[in-house]
Amino acid sequence: AQKVTQAQTEISVVEKEDVTLDCVYETRDTTYYLFWYKQPPSGELVFLIRRNSFDEQNEISGRYSWNFQKSTSSFNFTITASQVVDSAVYFCALSEYPGGNKLVFGAGTILRVKS
Amino acid sequence: DVKVTQSSRYLVKRTGEKVFLECVQDMDHENMFWYRQDPGLGLRLIYFSYDVKMKEKGDIPEGYSVSREKKERFSLILESASTNQTSMYLCASSPRASGSSYNEQFFGPGTRLTVL
Repeated sequence: AQKVTQAQTEISVVEKEDVTLDCVYETRDTTYYLFWYKQPPSGELVFLIRRNSFDEQNEISGRYSWNFQKSTSSFNFTITASQVVDSAVYFCALSEYPGGNKLVFGAGTILRVKS
Repeated sequence: DVKVTQSSRYLVKRTGEKVFLECVQDMDHENMFWYRQDPGLGLRLIYFSYDVKMKEKGDIPEGYSVSREKKERFSLILESASTNQTSMYLCASSPRASGSSYNEQFFGPGTRLTVL
């Protein structure tokens, strides 16, 4: 069965610090997708990134970067020079195959960025 | 701007009441999902639907049912609400997966349900 583990329940940093959110997954499928979502205080989950299992290239988008390593079944998310607006709950998720787009979510990591 | 809307942001009901949570999407998506979110547990899938009148159980369907009579609308029903169903309920939609392509889900703002 698929499983996603986000071991960090809550992280607090001071503005401008770099922070890495960990995500470890388990799956028997060779074809799968990994996702990161952000949930700000407003409650609505916002899609950040999708990565398929055949693409291990790291990705950078502004202050956000993602490190996908199949060898360790990890898909970690780094925010560089954090800002107060980054404060949110972040979820890592794995899509099943086949599964019609079903997602398995981790428990989430609460990130608090203090000014 | 694409949207998933949910009928209420906050809802308070009494034990034993029948509760309807409504979700509407305007993106013509085939797939729709209902999750509940609880602290420390992340999001857990209750039911999903990949077409009108079609439904499949997720990981925690007990105590819930769903209805999808129109493509844009997916309803979650608590037949007899209980206090352990107090939670945040999130609806999502996505286009149908094609081949090995998986699309992200788009989420509504959530309904925080309290059952007294």
